Amino acid sequence: GQQLNQSPQSMFIQEGEDVSMNCTSSSIFNTWLWYKQDPGEGPVLLIALYKAGELTSNGRLTAQFGITRKDSFLNISASIPSDVGIYFCAGLPNTGNQFYFGTGTSLTVIP
Amino acid sequence: DTAVSQTPKYLVTQMGNDKSIKCEQNLGHDTMYWYKQDSKKFLKIMFSYNNKELIINETVPNRFSPKSPDKAHLNLHINSLELGDSAVYFCASSSGRAETQYFGPGTRLLVL
Repeated sequence: GQQLNQSPQSMFIQEGEDVSMNCTSSSIFNTWLWYKQDPGEGPVLLIALYKAGELTSNGRLTAQFGITRKDSFLNISASIPSDVGIYFCAGLPNTGNQFYFGTGTSLTVIP
Repeated sequence: DTAVSQTPKYLVTQMGNDKSIKCEQNLGHDTMYWYKQDSKKFLKIMFSYNNKELIINETVPNRFSPKSPDKAHLNLHINSLELGDSAVYFCASSSGRAETQYFGPGTRLLVL
């Protein structure tokens, strides 16, 4: 199956700092999704991206569909303690009919 | 109001037992999935059903058998449980095979 690599694997940041993470693939994708998994819960959709170069925001979160269509980025501004969790990207290849999930980025926010 | 629900939330059992996990979605979706999340938090797809038909069956031991009695339900039965089956199992659903997936709260399975 497709491999989606997320970077970094984990982050420890101070409250108030900005966060950046990315997801890369070896092939071209048509759709990118970003999910957040709170501790003890299931992943919840944050942002969906459908077009190369697209930039979409959801509150303090901004995600971008990479221009090469092989990557996507998620930024969180002014982090707060409730941002803690695991962030997953998911991508739909242009030749496929199922989503593939990234390896996850674990975020810890220190108050 | 819960869109995708799973029962039970926690399951502790002995090796060798047979157990089932149930999933229901009230979103009117056609496609449902089972994922396994291991201790490293990787989400690995196990099965996918579209309109009650199996469409994805990843390399999973045949001790795992999904059953979809109707479009709104996808249950997972596990025979002869092994220690390595301990994980969190997530059910998800989507309106189509290439559409956004919505996840349930997970079932935490511990095999002793």
